[in-house]
Amino acid sequence: GAGVSQSPSNKVTEKGKDVELRCDPISGHTALYWYRQSLGQGLEFLIYFQGNSAPDKSGLPSDRFSAERTGGSVSTLTIQRTQQEDSAVYLCASSQQISGTDTQYFGPGTRLTVL
Amino acid sequence: QQQVKQSPQSLIVQKGGISIINCAYENTAFDYFPWYQQFPGKGPALLIAIRPDVSEKKEGRFTISFNKSAKQFSLHIMDSQPGDSATYFCAASGGSNYKLTFGKGTLLTVNP
Repeated sequence: GAGVSQSPSNKVTEKGKDVELRCDPISGHTALYWYRQSLGQGLEFLIYFQGNSAPDKSGLPSDRFSAERTGGSVSTLTIQRTQQEDSAVYLCASSQQISGTDTQYFGPGTRLTVL
Repeated sequence: QQQVKQSPQSLIVQKGGISIINCAYENTAFDYFPWYQQFPGKGPALLIAIRPDVSEKKEGRFTISFNKSAKQFSLHIMDSQPGDSATYFCAASGGSNYKLTFGKGTLLTVNP
């Protein structure tokens, strides 16, 4: 079946612009996660959705970052007034969320470059 | 505070050799420890995972060893192949939302 998809695959923007990154999880997966992968920093958790609600937003680095999920499916991560330090690969993952051992399946990521 | 520490940062192994990557964690609430493999331009993919009720788990050439008292776990890749060349991440989770806390990754190169 189809895996997690993300769009766009690459995004180049100018400092100060807003960007939207999209994630389509695996059908039927109720849990959705956003992570950020920066050079030398590994993968950092940003936000977690269970259905349409976000019980854990603790990883969002500033109030310029927000995310929503509609219909229990597609999620959008929005970064307002982008800064150069926002440049990274943004990864989305989904899981069935039945137990703590459910595999998180990752998409290919969106590479964001802020000039 | 880095909750999962991974070493080494990079590793070069000859074909047929054993690759060993180590991780240590601090949070005793962690109860699930997966390893992910990532190829360039791709998202991470689950390789193998372990719960703390066992000390070792083996799947094919890949083995996780787990030491609960030391709060350490490691990945062993036996008979390493050039196709194993990738970045490996250890991770840990626990609690109600299952978010993963990752190590910083190990770039493995297997020379032919």
